Amino acid sequence: SQQGEEDPQALSIQEGENATMNCSYKTSINNLQWYRQNSGRGLVHLILIRSNEREKHSGRLRVTLDTSKKSSSLLITASRAADTASYFCATGGPNFGNEKLTFGTGTRLTIIP
Amino acid sequence: NAGVTQTPKFRVLKTGQSMTLLCAQDMNHEYMYWYRQDPGMGLRLIHYSVGEGTTAKGEVPDGYNVSRLKKQNFLLGLESAAPSQTSVYFCASSYPDEQYFGPGTRLTVT
Repeated sequence: SQQGEEDPQALSIQEGENATMNCSYKTSINNLQWYRQNSGRGLVHLILIRSNEREKHSGRLRVTLDTSKKSSSLLITASRAADTASYFCATGGPNFGNEKLTFGTGTRLTIIP
Repeated sequence: NAGVTQTPKFRVLKTGQSMTLLCAQDMNHEYMYWYRQDPGMGLRLIHYSVGEGTTAKGEVPDGYNVSRLKKQNFLLGLESAAPSQTSVYFCASSYPDEQYFGPGTRLTVT
């Protein structure tokens, strides 16, 4: 069964706008990660946030984590056509480290030029 | 560095045939994983390994076997392929934080 569920399942925005996608999970975690997958390719790691962190930034990416609500959000600012991809959250823990992750079903993001 | 490589990229099998998918990584990672990705299902973990000579079952291990004889290689075997195993298979490695993925193998079982 899936641990994480992304919302929305699909999102289309104009280039330059911000994109926000959410992830909810069911059990306790020690970290949450976000990955990007371009069509027909493998996943690429974007950012990792640990359970004792509330917010993290990396370039145009901002991730928040609310462990009380068991949810996370990924914000991509000033979107570009190259951001068109599927985005997955993945959770690790609590009884082990990052050696085993559980992935959600993904949000398909389309940036309209 | 090549990162994580997978062979083959595509394969068509008939029901009952066997095959082995090869994953290789050159990053000296301890942990390696095999996932399958099906439409609307995200990635599901088949088997994983936390070091040379060790393997463990993931979420959907039935019908698959694995071996990790060398640290850099992780093999996924299908002994008797079934149409339900039609999927895209991804290998990944990590130590132990973010996972690095291979390009995938698209397998069709007819």
